[in-house]
Amino acid sequence: ILNVEQSPQSLHVQEGDSTNFTCSFPSSNFYALHWYRWETAKSPEALFVMTLNGDEKKKGRISATLNTKEGYSYLYIKGSQPEDSATYLCAPTYGTYKYIFGTGTRLKVLA
Amino acid sequence: NAGVTQTPKFRILKIGQSMTLQCAQDMNHNYMYWYRQDPGMGLKLIYYSVGAGITDKGEVPNGYNVSRSTTEDFPLRLELAAPSQTSVYFCASSALASLAKNIQYFGAGTRLSVL
Repeated sequence: ILNVEQSPQSLHVQEGDSTNFTCSFPSSNFYALHWYRWETAKSPEALFVMTLNGDEKKKGRISATLNTKEGYSYLYIKGSQPEDSATYLCAPTYGTYKYIFGTGTRLKVLA
Repeated sequence: NAGVTQTPKFRILKIGQSMTLQCAQDMNHNYMYWYRQDPGMGLKLIYYSVGAGITDKGEVPNGYNVSRSTTEDFPLRLELAAPSQTSVYFCASSALASLAKNIQYFGAGTRLSVL
């Protein structure tokens, strides 16, 4: 059974703070890593897909890095805003259909 | 601009009843997936399909059946509902899964309670 761990499980930050979360995954037979943003009462939306060791992706104030050799990815949010409040899911893939989702990091940004 | 549409949004079933969760996508995606999400757990893959007429089991297929007669539709069937199937169900689709890079587009979910 492939185990994907995300930490922390939840956190509260003040508006304007920068924050980061971790996704740890088995590195053997790794294909790609997806990050999703999941707002309450909505469905998950894709943020990034990364495949290569050392990959970095950026979308506005959100960025992510990938280390495939040690099996982890970091998601960073710079200058958090209340609209960033959501659950952030990571999902490494190990084949065509095998998206293994972590349990997510629940972020609450306080105004 | 519908994307992935799931119906119903909510449903309460009695133990032993059956029902079908509907999922349709209008993006001409080949790949479709059914997940369930239990409290404190990540999304678990139930079944997936790589195209019309082709389906396969995911991590947690027991108690469910699927069919894929068209590219657009991927219904999930519960034959004998059990309390363990109380969950939120998400359908997703993607254009190409073979590169393991393509993103999935999710429906809004169906919240199912079995009492």
